[in-house]
Amino acid sequence: NAGVTQTPKFQVLKTGQSMTLQCAQDMNHEYMSWYRQDPGMGLRLIHYSVGAGITDQGEVPNGYNVSRSTTEDFPLRLLSAAPSQTSVYFCASSYSISTGEQPQHFGDGTRLSIL
Amino acid sequence: LAKTTQPISMDSYEGQEVNITCSHNNIATNDYITWYQQFPSQGPRFIIQGYKTKVTNEVASLFIPADRKSSTLSLPRVSLSDTAVYYCLVGVSSGYSTLTFGKGTMLLVSP
Repeated sequence: NAGVTQTPKFQVLKTGQSMTLQCAQDMNHEYMSWYRQDPGMGLRLIHYSVGAGITDQGEVPNGYNVSRSTTEDFPLRLLSAAPSQTSVYFCASSYSISTGEQPQHFGDGTRLSIL
Repeated sequence: LAKTTQPISMDSYEGQEVNITCSHNNIATNDYITWYQQFPSQGPRFIIQGYKTKVTNEVASLFIPADRKSSTLSLPRVSLSDTAVYYCLVGVSSGYSTLTFGKGTMLLVSP
């Protein structure tokens, strides 16, 4: 059982470069989301999706784009990386859009450094 | 969104019972309470979830009083491997909810 798979695990970018963080889940979950985690800040929601073709903004969406063309995949795009986007990024999925009831399953994260 | 408040950190010793309390004064009628555990360099992992009274599984118990304005995660006989950050989340059970992770509670278990 793969669960939620994130790639790459580590990445270093230069300011202004673009990049896509990949997230895939094999549990047929409707709900997927992206969080970033900075030291002392807990996890903050960037974008989420309640199903294929449906996405919405979370708490900190600026500088990030998402799309959801399939149930399995939910990539996160940085169009022009900035040092403030240096963080650890987590992707999560859950069975139901009623996320308060269905627990989320998290990937192991992508550690991104922007120079 | 229901806001939660947890202690920033707690210390314990191996073999002791640890109770972490979370305050959620604005919890709505349909909100569930969920706890996650996070180890360094890993994503959060679901521990337990409840709506009211008491829930127990193989790793923890969750106590929720009648007014549901707080909840307590109880870890029996902790070991060094329980050293982690614990997050309390509150979210609605119907419709869509954007769950918010606070800063969590850093539990340090010492020998």
